[in-house]
Amino acid sequence: AQTVTQSQPEMSVQEAETVTLSCTYDTSESDYYLFWYKQPPSRQMILVIRQEAYKQQNATENRFSVNFQKAAKSFSLKISDSQLGDAAMYFCAYQIQGAQKLVFGQGTRLTINP
Amino acid sequence: DSGVTQTPKHLITATGQRVTLRCSPRSGDLSVYWYQQSLDQGLQFLIQYYNGEERAKGNILERFSAQQFPDLHSELNLSSLELGDSALYFCASSVSPSREDIQYFGAGTRLSVL
Repeated sequence: AQTVTQSQPEMSVQEAETVTLSCTYDTSESDYYLFWYKQPPSRQMILVIRQEAYKQQNATENRFSVNFQKAAKSFSLKISDSQLGDAAMYFCAYQIQGAQKLVFGQGTRLTINP
Repeated sequence: DSGVTQTPKHLITATGQRVTLRCSPRSGDLSVYWYQQSLDQGLQFLIQYYNGEERAKGNILERFSAQQFPDLHSELNLSSLELGDSALYFCASSVSPSREDIQYFGAGTRLSVL
């Protein structure tokens, strides 16, 4: 079964600094999607970034970028120039072929220190 | 605002009772997904519908059922409630079940079973 592991339950960073959140996954598939979702205190799940496994180029969205290492099954999220509004739970997710359901990691709570 | 509407926002009920959670997908989206977020199990996929038909089932208990109506809104019915059913229930929607289509999440319904 596919699993997603986030080994950092909590992380903190100073405002304006850079932070990297880790994620590893286990799958036997060769084609899949990976996601980072953000859940602020409002509870809303917000898509941060998406990576297609067959694309070698790492996805970027403004201050958010990923380091996708397919062979190592690693998918980390880098947040540059951290802002107070980035404080949230961050979930790494994998999309299973066929059912299209998302499989989520346990989450990393990110705190931004002013 | 994702465009996915979930009602009610909060629900407090007693063990043994039955509740119905409602989800209106984004305009134009035909596929609806239900997820459960609990402290011990994390975020788990429950069930998926596409254009009124069930497409995939996850870790959904037999006490739980769902349906998608002709107007594409969906309802998740939870019966014989137990304390352990207390959780945040999310609905997500996408245009189609295709993996290329991103799932957009509603704000969730927080269920408290006392």
